[in-house]
Amino acid sequence: EDKVVQSPLSLVVHEGDTVTLNCSYEVTNFRSLLWYKQEKKAPTFLFMLTSSGIEKKSGRLSSILDKKELFSILNITATQTGDSAVYLCMKTSYDKVIFGPGTSLSVIP
Amino acid sequence: GAVVSQHPSRVICKSGTSVKIECRSLDFQATTMFWYRQFPKQSLMLMATSNEGSKATYEQGVEKDKFLINHASLTLSTLTVTSAHPEDSSFYICSASYRLSNQPQHFGDGTRLSIL
Repeated sequence: EDKVVQSPLSLVVHEGDTVTLNCSYEVTNFRSLLWYKQEKKAPTFLFMLTSSGIEKKSGRLSSILDKKELFSILNITATQTGDSAVYLCMKTSYDKVIFGPGTSLSVIP
Repeated sequence: GAVVSQHPSRVICKSGTSVKIECRSLDFQATTMFWYRQFPKQSLMLMATSNEGSKATYEQGVEKDKFLINHASLTLSTLTVTSAHPEDSSFYICSASYRLSNQPQHFGDGTRLSIL
């Protein structure tokens, strides 16, 4: 069964901590892996990864894909309370998209 | 600014009513639109994928006669929940992309549907 697994499912950290969120997937018809941040409403796009080993960065967030080991990580450094959200990993294939269950991150002051 | 607009943001209606939700791409041609359903504290569940001008592809377990999807133009897709019942109450989100998988999807703000 084609699926996406994320870990941890929830995480509580203090401001300033660094967190690493994990996403693993099945290899079936892989095209790309995307990370989204969901707060109260709809997910907002963070990164799209298609090639192994190329880190993508945006401010304090970065992400990388390992197509051999079938996983991706999302790093957030110097976390802030505004980073509190559910982080969703999504895998696309040639004919469908699948979301992981999400990691709920809570950053406390 | 938002690239995908979803309307309405919230609907409360009686059981048996049909409800239409619109999803518009604002500044790009959305060849593919996706409809998701999200239950509280759960991830997004893909309901169907629609390509402009063709019939939607529904995921297993999603009743196509219950959830009617129309994607008549490159900027508009609609989801109609027919004869809605309380168990249809949920958060429905649409997304759009130019192509299925080599462009990121952009999401609408979602519609909170409550059936009394």
